[in-house]
Amino acid sequence: DARVTQTPRHKVTEMGQEVTMRCQPILGHNTVFWYRQTMMQGLELLAYFRNRAPLDDSGMPKDRFSAEMPDATLATLKIQPSEPRDSAVYFCASGLNPNQPQHFGDGTRLSIL
Amino acid sequence: SQQGEEDPQALSIQEGENATMNCSYKTSINNLQWYRQNSGRGLVHLILIRSNEREKHSGRLRVTLDTSKKSSSLLITASRAADTASYFCATDEKNDMRFGAGTRLTVKP
Repeated sequence: DARVTQTPRHKVTEMGQEVTMRCQPILGHNTVFWYRQTMMQGLELLAYFRNRAPLDDSGMPKDRFSAEMPDATLATLKIQPSEPRDSAVYFCASGLNPNQPQHFGDGTRLSIL
Repeated sequence: SQQGEEDPQALSIQEGENATMNCSYKTSINNLQWYRQNSGRGLVHLILIRSNEREKHSGRLRVTLDTSKKSSSLLITASRAADTASYFCATDEKNDMRFGAGTRLTVKP
């Protein structure tokens, strides 16, 4: 069964440190999404890519967040420097195109102390 | 920003009962999707309904869509304890999907 793989599953680090989260989308999916989920804000779209090109990153604080797709099998989300308010679960999802069903990974649970 | 808004925020029922969750949205859509999320896991796609469809079924799930009222409902019939999860609607806006805040369903055995 094809699935989206996210690493690491859990990350605890101190504020100011760089955090890198990785995602392997399902082979053949050309659309990749990054979401952040918190109790207060729910599920927020941070950025998404189509054919590895960023299409919308308006939901992402660009002073500290960056998202890239170095190749079709890897998407990365970086936070530098990290802050306690970045603590959340970060999900990656992939799909055949932006408004079709998305397949989610199990997330990276990030805690910034 | 969120597009769909689910109602109620939380729902608790007994096993065997039906569960109905509602979703309202603001702008025109091409399709609306429902997802489920178990604790500690990612969302799982359940069903997609297009704007020209009024009702769709999948197993014990029934989804309706009323574009004139900009609303959708998800009905789970004969609920099971394993249906305990959060349920989200998502609508396409600006060519990507935006999720609501979800309904937390608890099915008591």
